[in-house]
Amino acid sequence: AQSVTQPDIHITVSEGASLELRCNYSYGATPYLFWYVQSPGQGLQLLLKYFSGDTLVQGIKGFEAEFKRSQSSFNLRKPSVHWSDAAEYFCAVGASGTYKYIFGTGTRLKVLA
Amino acid sequence: KAGVTQTPRYLIKTRGQQVTLSCSPISGHRSVSWYQQTPGQGLQFLFEYFSETQRNKGNFPGRFSGRQFSNSRSEMNVSTLELGDSALYLCASSLQGSNTGELFFGEGSRLTVL
Repeated sequence: AQSVTQPDIHITVSEGASLELRCNYSYGATPYLFWYVQSPGQGLQLLLKYFSGDTLVQGIKGFEAEFKRSQSSFNLRKPSVHWSDAAEYFCAVGASGTYKYIFGTGTRLKVLA
Repeated sequence: KAGVTQTPRYLIKTRGQQVTLSCSPISGHRSVSWYQQTPGQGLQFLFEYFSETQRNKGNFPGRFSGRQFSNSRSEMNVSTLELGDSALYLCASSLQGSNTGELFFGEGSRLTVL
């Protein structure tokens, strides 16, 4: 079955600390992988995406993610978190030719001043 | 450039009623997708349209329907509302018909069913 797992429902970090949000997927075809962020009352904004090529992808707002095929993972990282990063983060998987994504259940990030 | 516009932003209905939600994609975008977001189920795919054609449909009952117009604007309709239909309905648009670009999401229409 196709699925995306974000094992951490909530994560709290101090401002300036590093961050890693985990994402594991199960998908039959070659996956397209995405990380989106959602601030309260807002829609989703794309942080970064992986289609092919270099397995370390850079995104907006200083985020990066690494695709590890052997571990079926696509973890999101940021070296130094800012208070404005507090939001909910969603990992998603899709395939070429469709926008029928499968989303994870999200990780809510809290940032302590 | 205006983003994806969804109307209405908030609405309250009672069980058994029907509702129509509207989505205006970013100018020039021809692909529109709809997602339902709930605390329990997260984001679930509803429909995908490109050039007025439904290309994919999620696993929702027939009470959920949608369409896309020649100007790429899209509507979705939910008939015979149930309490469980309370959710944030998100519309997203993309320039291309295939998944090679970014999905741009609107802020959503929050439906409450009483």
